Amino acid sequence: NAGVMQNPRHLVRRRGQEARLRCSPMKGHSHVYWYRQLPEEGLKFMVYLQKENIIDESGMPKERFSAEFPKEGPSILRIQQVVRGDSAAYFCASSPGQSFTEAFFGQGTRLTVV
Amino acid sequence: GIQVEQSPPDLILQEGANSTLRCNFSDSVNNLQWFHQNPWGQLINLFYIPSGTKQNGRLSATTVATERYSLLYISSSQTTDSGVYFCAAYSGGGADGLTFGKGTHLIIQP
Repeated sequence: NAGVMQNPRHLVRRRGQEARLRCSPMKGHSHVYWYRQLPEEGLKFMVYLQKENIIDESGMPKERFSAEFPKEGPSILRIQQVVRGDSAAYFCASSPGQSFTEAFFGQGTRLTVV
Repeated sequence: GIQVEQSPPDLILQEGANSTLRCNFSDSVNNLQWFHQNPWGQLINLFYIPSGTKQNGRLSATTVATERYSLLYISSSQTTDSGVYFCAAYSGGGADGLTFGKGTHLIIQP
């Protein structure tokens, strides 16, 4: 049973470009969460999705960031017009149920904005 | 939302030593997890422990939900135990994701 798969592992974007981060949850998991980790800090919750629905996006910046989890295919975190402050590690987690169930994390995507 | 505090922030030990890491949380929890982030950045699940005691090899954890804290014990430390240990909790109120503490940075010296 493969774990949570994220790609790419590393992503370099110039300021103003778009970044697309992908996450395939563990088999049998229909709940996906995205987190951001700034250097030397813990992870911060961004958004919680189920198939075709955004359940909670209270941690997502209001502009330039969006997330989706379509019926088919991976979950996508999209950052438009990236700025230097977007440089961080972005982690995806999946769980078999809601937030009280155990979450498993992918290896993360390290975004660098130059 | 729930607040999660971890202590100590940094810990340096010799190989073979034992250690106790603490996690305090401000509200009752429906989910409490411990993770190890290794030097390559991977987050490894250690324990899912909203209450009670669990053991896995040299590691064990105890959560006393009524007193709002959890402890992670590492015995006979090895250099591969180095990294950052995170506690994360979910209380059912506020945001739907886990709230992470700032972590304990553990260095095991040979």
